[in-house]
Amino acid sequence: GNSVTQMEGPVTLSEEAFLTINCTYTATGYPSLFWYVQYPGEGLQLLLKATKADDKGSNKGFEATYRKETTSFHLEKGSVQVSDSAVYFCALRGNQGGKLIFGQGTELSVKP
Amino acid sequence: DAMVIQNPRYQVTQFGKPVTLSCSQTLNHNVMYWYQQKSSQAPKLLFHYYDKDFNNEADTPDNFQSRRPNTSFCFLDIRSPGLGDAAMYLCATSSVRGGAYEQYFGPGTRLTVT
Repeated sequence: GNSVTQMEGPVTLSEEAFLTINCTYTATGYPSLFWYVQYPGEGLQLLLKATKADDKGSNKGFEATYRKETTSFHLEKGSVQVSDSAVYFCALRGNQGGKLIFGQGTELSVKP
Repeated sequence: DAMVIQNPRYQVTQFGKPVTLSCSQTLNHNVMYWYQQKSSQAPKLLFHYYDKDFNNEADTPDNFQSRRPNTSFCFLDIRSPGLGDAAMYLCATSSVRGGAYEQYFGPGTRLTVT
């Protein structure tokens, strides 16, 4: 079945550091891929998405590229801010529809 | 702005006392979902409505029920809350009329069981 694996957290960075959160997936066909962010005490917010191979999703300085050859969708940001501290979830939705499959989440803490 | 609204944001109930959480949406999406989330774990899907069709996850306890009286509203009923049901409950919507079918989440209701 479909699955998503994220790097374990917590990830602690200094402000302005480069961020990478790894995400790999297992799925048949061509799933859609998503990154969601959850700030403390809040619901999940869609951060970015990609629907086909080599698509790059981007938003708020974050970006991720759909790599079918490596079944990956790693999240990157060139310069993190304290306000980026949150839990980040990678997710997929199969091309035949169906529910979202989430990774376990990666907590990011950015220190000033 | 179109959005997903959940009320209340915080709910305290007593062990065994029925409780209802509500969700409304102005996105006119035809699919609505209820998730349970504990301690920053990944959200766990309880059930969803595709239009009026109810779809229960196989491992959702019978203690959890849902109602969708119209397109805009969906309710989560917990018939006899136990201490293990304390969690954040998230409502989400999506449209299957095109696109990647991304889900849009509400802010959640934090349920405490005393």
